[in-house]
Amino acid sequence: AQSVAQPEDQVNVAEGNPLTVKCTYSVSGNPYLFWYVQYPNRGLQFLLKYITGDNLVKGSYGFEAEFNKSQTSFHLKKPSALVSDSALYFCAVRDPSGNTPLVFGKGTRLSVIA
Amino acid sequence: GAVVSQHPSWVICKSGTSVKIECRSLDFQATTMFWYRQFPKQSLMLMATSNEGSKATYEQGVEKDKFLINHASLTLSTLTVTSAHPEDSSFYICSARDRTGNTEAFFGQGTRLTVV
Repeated sequence: AQSVAQPEDQVNVAEGNPLTVKCTYSVSGNPYLFWYVQYPNRGLQFLLKYITGDNLVKGSYGFEAEFNKSQTSFHLKKPSALVSDSALYFCAVRDPSGNTPLVFGKGTRLSVIA
Repeated sequence: GAVVSQHPSWVICKSGTSVKIECRSLDFQATTMFWYRQFPKQSLMLMATSNEGSKATYEQGVEKDKFLINHASLTLSTLTVTSAHPEDSSFYICSARDRTGNTEAFFGQGTRLTVV
């Protein structure tokens, strides 16, 4: 069975500082990994994905994530946080075999303080 | 990018009535759509997987007679909450994936349902 763990409920960072939102996964075989962001009362917006290839994936709004197979992690990063980055972030995994749904972590609330 | 439109964005209904939520893929054909439910400050819980032209597959614990899902075309899936009760109040989100099934899923903006 697939699962995703986001160990932090809340991450606080000062504007301009680098940010990291952690994610670890458990899946048999090679996973498809995703990050989504959710603003209040809105659906999820896709940020980036890892399917194969380069372990460092660059996505929307300056975000990037690094796939680390040995540590089964896919942490989301941004070199310089903006106040507008404050939102709820979800890591998700999907079994690449078949048309399977995404399995989400519980989410991490990011607060960027001016 | 691919756009998924969900309607309505919010709805208030009386107990005992039914509410229909629509999910449309605007610029691609979605052979598969997923319906999620999200409780406050919690993650998304998959309710069902909907494939065009066939019956939806419901997750364990989700009442299929209460949450009716129809996926009659490649661009439209509907979720009907029948005989709604206050405990059905929640944020419902749909997502869609295109024919290849290899891409990320695209999400609607969600529907806030309040049953009074």
